[in-house]
Amino acid sequence: GENVEQHPSTLSVQEGDSAVIKCTYSDSASNYFPWYKQELGKRPQLIIDIRSNVGEKKDQRIAVTLNKTAKHFSLHITETQPEDSAVYFCAASKGYSTLTFGKGTMLLVSP
Amino acid sequence: KAGVTQTPRYLIKTRGQQVTLSCSPISGHRSVSWYQQTPGQGLQFLFEYFSETQRNKGNFPGRFSGRQFSNSRSEMNVSTLELGDSALYLCASSPLSDSRETQYFGPGTRLLVL
Repeated sequence: GENVEQHPSTLSVQEGDSAVIKCTYSDSASNYFPWYKQELGKRPQLIIDIRSNVGEKKDQRIAVTLNKTAKHFSLHITETQPEDSAVYFCAASKGYSTLTFGKGTMLLVSP
Repeated sequence: KAGVTQTPRYLIKTRGQQVTLSCSPISGHRSVSWYQQTPGQGLQFLFEYFSETQRNKGNFPGRFSGRQFSNSRSEMNVSTLELGDSALYLCASSPLSDSRETQYFGPGTRLLVL
């Protein structure tokens, strides 16, 4: 089955810095790659996603890049703010509505 | 539109008991997926239902089962509870059973097994 590796497990940055989280997947048939943000005690919320026919997608301070050949995708957050502090999960999907998640990255943005 | 809702939000059970959790998807969504979230294993896929049929199943024992009703609401059942079943159970809905559809999560049911 699909396997998704996510790095780093924790990331501490200063407010205003950029943050990058990387994921690799194993199944070349995966065609959808969402990123979810989960604050403490809350549900995962989709922040951005990318489909396999696109190499890059940007939404304000957040961007995702996908390299299908290398089977990896990354989340880039620019101009980080304290409210960006949360756990971020990458995921990969193929076939049905089934997400395989990475283990998560705890992002801490210090003022 | 109202979001995905789950009931109950919190549940305490003892080993050996069984439990049923409920999920109501976003109106118009026909696919419901269930996930187990624990600190050690992260988010793991349990199963997915679409049009009352199980489309896909994760690597969990047969004690975990589910069903979907004609109005797309879904339930999952865990029989003979074990301590290791303590977790946050999340359901997610999407319009279709398609990997490229965005899944929207409910608030989860936090289950504690004593």
